[in-house]
Amino acid sequence: GESVGLHLPTLSVQEGDNSIINCAYSNSASDYFIWYKQESGKGPQFIIDIRSNMDKRQGQRVTVLLNKTVKHLSLQIAATQPGDSAVYFCAENGPSGTYKYIFGTGTRLKVLA
Amino acid sequence: DAGVIQSPRHEVTEMGQEVTLRCKPISGHDYLFWYRQTMMRGLELLIYFNNNVPIDDSGMPEDRFSAKMPNASFSTLKIQPSEPRDSAVYFCASSLGGSGPQHFGDGTRLSIL
Repeated sequence: GESVGLHLPTLSVQEGDNSIINCAYSNSASDYFIWYKQESGKGPQFIIDIRSNMDKRQGQRVTVLLNKTVKHLSLQIAATQPGDSAVYFCAENGPSGTYKYIFGTGTRLKVLA
Repeated sequence: DAGVIQSPRHEVTEMGQEVTLRCKPISGHDYLFWYRQTMMRGLELLIYFNNNVPIDDSGMPEDRFSAKMPNASFSTLKIQPSEPRDSAVYFCASSLGGSGPQHFGDGTRLSIL
């Protein structure tokens, strides 16, 4: 979906628990997806990506799941830490032949001590 | 490794003044993107370059905005004359190949009074 809106959805998680952040994407033809983390005062930071020929990809403490049937993407963070507090964006590649990303609205993750 | 470097980090100026934002992409990256981020509209792509050539400037809001990339290691985004509604955080990102992950700088927070 397009990146619009004044109010970000917020997910509050206890430190040490697992976090799951969800994203619905808009274009069934999209074949590349990225998760970004944005901390206050900084630019979006690449976390993990996945191509449409995969359903799951794992990184260090993070896993991305892709469900193309329902156009859904999720980011799982294991053993959430205070440093994980940030806004998380999903992005999908845009119209074919261009290199534009379509960014999601973002989800604010708050880690409770 | 040095990431994308943007300057200045903050800019406060009066409306009507010319504003120039600067970006140094990651060495070796052949794509460069300029974005604007606001609370209301989220992340918006303004323009992107491939090998220093502007490819798509359809996101540039008005003729008051212009961008150049004179060489592979430098790009500018200029606003002349600036208006209060241009206040936002402007990000530059670069990538190796257009289909790979974009890496963002920490942005320029622009305030037009």
